[in-house]
Amino acid sequence: SAVISQKPSRDICQRGTSLTIQCQVDSQVTMMFWYRQQPGQSLTLIATANQGSEATYESGFVIDKFPISRPNLTFSTLTVSNMSPEDSSIYLCSALQGTNYGYTFGSGTRLTVV
Amino acid sequence: GQQLNQSPQSMFIQEGEDVSMNCTSSSIFNTWLWYKQDPGEGPVLLIALYKAGELTSNGRLTAQFGITRKDSFLNISASIPSDVGIYFCAGQLSGTYKYIFGTGTRLKVLA
Repeated sequence: SAVISQKPSRDICQRGTSLTIQCQVDSQVTMMFWYRQQPGQSLTLIATANQGSEATYESGFVIDKFPISRPNLTFSTLTVSNMSPEDSSIYLCSALQGTNYGYTFGSGTRLTVV
Repeated sequence: GQQLNQSPQSMFIQEGEDVSMNCTSSSIFNTWLWYKQDPGEGPVLLIALYKAGELTSNGRLTAQFGITRKDSFLNISASIPSDVGIYFCAGQLSGTYKYIFGTGTRLKVLA
């Protein structure tokens, strides 16, 4: 299965600033997704990163707050904009290689907003 | 929205014991996945199930896709300390490549 590298692995940021998280896959993948995992909670899908076009966001998530890019089949970025303490969470990149494979996840970015 | 309910929420067991956990939903899913997450890491896929009634094993792990397509079960036999972690089920939304995740079962193994 694909190997996903995500960086940074963790960061502490000031409120009002923005952080861009990078996700690099070692092989071309069909689809890429971004999830959020709040402390002690399950995973919530933020959006599907579409190659060469705007991401598809889930209810409760908007492009102005979480702009996403996916310039090719192996790379995506998620930006958390104008951060507040409520954005403190783990952000996970995942990829789907084919329709009969489950997701592979990166190790996540642990974000703390102070 | 759709939700996957996992139970139990947490478990404390003795090393060597068997473990069972399950995942239920009011919706039908085409695929069920089971993941394990260690602290500070992303979830790692354990088992994938693609057909109602399917029973699949991966070492000491066995999972089943419920016949109604609304539930799934994961069993771990002869638990060992490295089984500690959070186990998540995930169901594939019909007609999409998106998965929603269960609430998680936190497993602790006492040596």
